[in-house]
Amino acid sequence: DAGVTQSPTHLIKTRGQQVTLRCSPISGHKSVSWYQQVLGQGPQFIFQYYEKEERGRGNFPDRFSARQFPNYSSELNVNALLLGDSALYLCASTLVSGEDIQYFGAGTRLSVL
Amino acid sequence: QKEVEQNSGPLSVPEGAIASLNCTYSDRGSQSFFWYRQYSGKSPELIMSIYSNGDKEDGRFTAQLNKASQYVSLLIRDSQPSDSATYLCAAQNKGDYKLSFGAGTTVTVRA
Repeated sequence: DAGVTQSPTHLIKTRGQQVTLRCSPISGHKSVSWYQQVLGQGPQFIFQYYEKEERGRGNFPDRFSARQFPNYSSELNVNALLLGDSALYLCASTLVSGEDIQYFGAGTRLSVL
Repeated sequence: QKEVEQNSGPLSVPEGAIASLNCTYSDRGSQSFFWYRQYSGKSPELIMSIYSNGDKEDGRFTAQLNKASQYVSLLIRDSQPSDSATYLCAAQNKGDYKLSFGAGTTVTVRA
C-alpha cells in the first residue's frame, strides 16, 4: 500500500506569490492534517480535516487555507508568501476509526526568496 | 510556556549504550503520547505510542508515561549508529487530532 504522498517535493517561490501543496492520504484514511516545520523546531499544527470538514486550525494567519476533496486528498494554499513561510510542510493522515496515529508524508520543502 | 518541552540536546552516546530522552507536557487534557524519529531532511516516523501510565517496550525502545508528573520518556537500549536522528515527542488530547510537538532532541550515536 502506498503511504501518504505529497507533491511537489521542493518548491521555490518569491515573496508575494501564492503556492498550492497537495497531499494524498493512505488508502482508507479519512482525516488529513497539515503541519509546518521550520528548521530546528518541531512541526506546528496548521489544519486538520475530516470528511471534508475543517475540524481544527492552528495559530496561523488567514493567508493559509486548505480543503479536502471527496476522495480525501487535500490541498494547502498559502497566499502572499513571506520569507518566514520557508519551511517543510508536512501532511499526515489518520484512519480515525479506533486509531489516532498520524502517518506523515515526505513533505514539501518550500523556499521563499 | 510551550505545551511540550524536551530535554535540550544534542545527546551523544557511544554505540551500545542507553540513550535517555525526556519530555514534559503542560496540558493535563493530553491523553495520547507519541515518539517520532526524524532523520535529517526526512519526515517524522512513528516509533512508539503510549496511552497509559507505566512502561511500554518495543524491541530496543521503551516508552514511559507518568501522567501525574506530566512526563514522558524514551529509552533506546543498545544504541546503534542508525539511531542517530532527531526524536520528537508529541501529545494529543482525547478526540483531537492535533499533535503538539516538542522541539526535538538530536541524538548522535558514536561508533
